[in-house]
Amino acid sequence: DTEVTQTPKHLVMGMTNKKSLKCEQHMGHRAMYWYKQKAKKPPELMFVYSYEKLSINESVPSRFSPECPNSSLLNLHLHALQPEDSALYLCASRDDRASLGYEQYFGPGTRLTVT
Amino acid sequence: AQKITQTQPGMFVQEKEAVTLDCTYDTSDPSYGLFWYKQPSSGEMIFLIYQGSYDQQNATEGRYSLNFQKARKSANLVISASQLGDSAMYFCALGPGTYKYIFGTGTRLKVLA
Repeated sequence: DTEVTQTPKHLVMGMTNKKSLKCEQHMGHRAMYWYKQKAKKPPELMFVYSYEKLSINESVPSRFSPECPNSSLLNLHLHALQPEDSALYLCASRDDRASLGYEQYFGPGTRLTVT
Repeated sequence: AQKITQTQPGMFVQEKEAVTLDCTYDTSDPSYGLFWYKQPSSGEMIFLIYQGSYDQQNATEGRYSLNFQKARKSANLVISASQLGDSAMYFCALGPGTYKYIFGTGTRLKVLA
C-alpha cells in the first residue's frame, strides 16, 4: 500500500479564517513533506518533518503552521492567508529506512482558494 | 548547487508510439537519485521510476524506462506504446539532498488518438 491521503480535497476560506489541512500515511515512512504548487509550476517545498521533528522550513510565512502529532499524521494549520496563497497543497512521505530509492509518495492534494 | 532542467514545455505523441522526455541535471554530490513523476490534471503526483547514480543498468518499470547517461548528466524518460491516459504533466526530480528534492519545470505531454 503506497497511499497517502489528504483532506479536504477542496477548501475555500476567507482571509480571516482559520483552517487546517490533514495528511495521513500508514506506510511507516518517517519523513513527511508539505509542498505548495501553483498552476503549471513545479512543487515548491515548504516543510519537512523527520521522525516527527521539523527538519526543514523553507522560510515559509508564519501564517502557515505545520504540526506532526505522530509518525502517521501531518497537519498544516492556516491562519490569515492571502489570496496569493491559493494553490494546490501536496503532502508527501518517504521511507528513511530504505538504502535505495528514496522516492516520495504524494497525496492527491488539497486545492485551496483564499477569497 | 543542484540544478535540474527540462527543456520541453510541451510534447505531442501519437497513440501507440514511443516518446522521450528530456531531463538534464547538475550536482556535485557523488550519490544521488533521479526520479520521474506524472501529474494528471487531477493533481496527484504519481511516482513512475527511479535511477540511482551508482546503478549500472537503466531503470525500467513496465512501459517506462529511464535512459541514464551519467557522463552527459541526462536522465531521459522513455514511454513506450503511448496511451491516451499518459496525457499529463511529467516532472523530473533530483535528490535527496538532506531531504530536499529539486524538481524540473515539467513537460506537458499530450497523446493524440
